[in-house]
Amino acid sequence: GQNIDQPTEMTATEGAIVQINCTYQTSGFNGLFWYQQHAGEAPTFLSYNVLDGLEEKGRFSSFLSRSKGYSYLLLKELQMKDSASYLCAVSVGANNLFFGTGTRLTVIP
Amino acid sequence: DTAVSQTPKYLVTQMGNDKSIKCEQNLGHDTMYWYKQDSKKFLKIMFSYNNKELIINETVPNRFSPKSPDKAHLNLHINSLELGDSAVYFCASSQGGRPQETQYFGPGTRLLVL
Repeated sequence: GQNIDQPTEMTATEGAIVQINCTYQTSGFNGLFWYQQHAGEAPTFLSYNVLDGLEEKGRFSSFLSRSKGYSYLLLKELQMKDSASYLCAVSVGANNLFFGTGTRLTVIP
Repeated sequence: DTAVSQTPKYLVTQMGNDKSIKCEQNLGHDTMYWYKQDSKKFLKIMFSYNNKELIINETVPNRFSPKSPDKAHLNLHINSLELGDSAVYFCASSQGGRPQETQYFGPGTRLLVL
């Protein structure tokens, strides 16, 4: 089976940096995705990691360590619009995505 | 133009009824998916179709039956609705079925069973 853990909620201040962690235990790992989901909306793609290391994309970066079963999403220069749920998802087999429960991030002024 | 669309957006119905949710994608993708997101916001894969063929069927009750008339459409039919079926159902698509491909999600259908 698949086991994916991430914190349920986090709060951070506008302009700050926040790191959202995700740990996983899976069989047949084919990469890890991060998705953003605003309340009442569809999840949207943020990043994909399959090799160890850091992938940077603007204010968002994602890190993966396959040996540790660990990933994090780093959000810099937080903006109010970044308040959303951030979903960690592991790709297993032929693009079968298993999602964590999501981390609800609240950005405060 | 909307890439992945679903109808209806909201669906309120009585227990025991049969209902369908439709999904269409105009991205030219080969693979489509159905997910269920429960009240705790946990998103779980239900079905995956590649070129009109079922390739994933996670453990869902056989009251749920996906139908793919062509590769741009994947509909979800639910028989004998139960209270526990209340959730948001998301359709998604990806170019193919390879692990690194991004899945694009539709806006969701909010189903409430009374």
